[in-house]
Amino acid sequence: GAVVSQHPSRVICKSGTSVKIECRSLDFQATTMFWYRQFPKQSLMLMATSNEGSKATYEQGVEKDKFLINHASLTLSTLTVTSAHPEDSSFYICSASRQVISETQYFGPGTRLLVL
Amino acid sequence: ILNVEQSPQSLHVQEGDSTNFTCSFPSSNFYALHWYRWETAKSPEALFVMTLNGDEKKKGRISATLNTKEGYSYLYIKGSQPEDSATYLCALEEYGNKLVFGAGTILRVKS
Repeated sequence: GAVVSQHPSRVICKSGTSVKIECRSLDFQATTMFWYRQFPKQSLMLMATSNEGSKATYEQGVEKDKFLINHASLTLSTLTVTSAHPEDSSFYICSASRQVISETQYFGPGTRLLVL
Repeated sequence: ILNVEQSPQSLHVQEGDSTNFTCSFPSSNFYALHWYRWETAKSPEALFVMTLNGDEKKKGRISATLNTKEGYSYLYIKGSQPEDSATYLCALEEYGNKLVFGAGTILRVKS
């Protein structure tokens, strides 16, 4: 099966700092990558859709200036949480797809962010 | 906006028991229904992608059915094993391959 890696797996940072999370598709080219967030006892919620070489599309209520997404190649997307605050503490997880309808999305293992 | 409900929230069964859980949705306006298994500290693993009313899929001891007319999908596990312990997620695929997830069903299988 297709493999997606995500780094770091866990990060603790001080309030006001920025944190970058990488998502890589290791054995396939991902036309589209997705970023999700999960707060405790809630569902995975889509934050944004990232297409290689173009601007990301953000879901309603997600601040694009706070969550910067870069999809520079068909195998790498990054999410930068800028000026992180305690309320940004969450579980962030990416997925990658070949953007074919009804095809499986392949997920990374996720990143646990704790902002102090 | 699609709303995906999963029940039960959690389930504890004995090894060897068969079990099933439900994913329900109010509308059939989606491209596909996805089932994932998510073990702690691992990536969610794709189980099935289902598109047609009446679809039935099987993978080993796990199978799933889809009824778009009545708005539900069932996931069945036959002869549960401790390694089946995981959170099982259901998601509906919207336009643009976007997934809308349910909250999941946590399964614990005791040996």
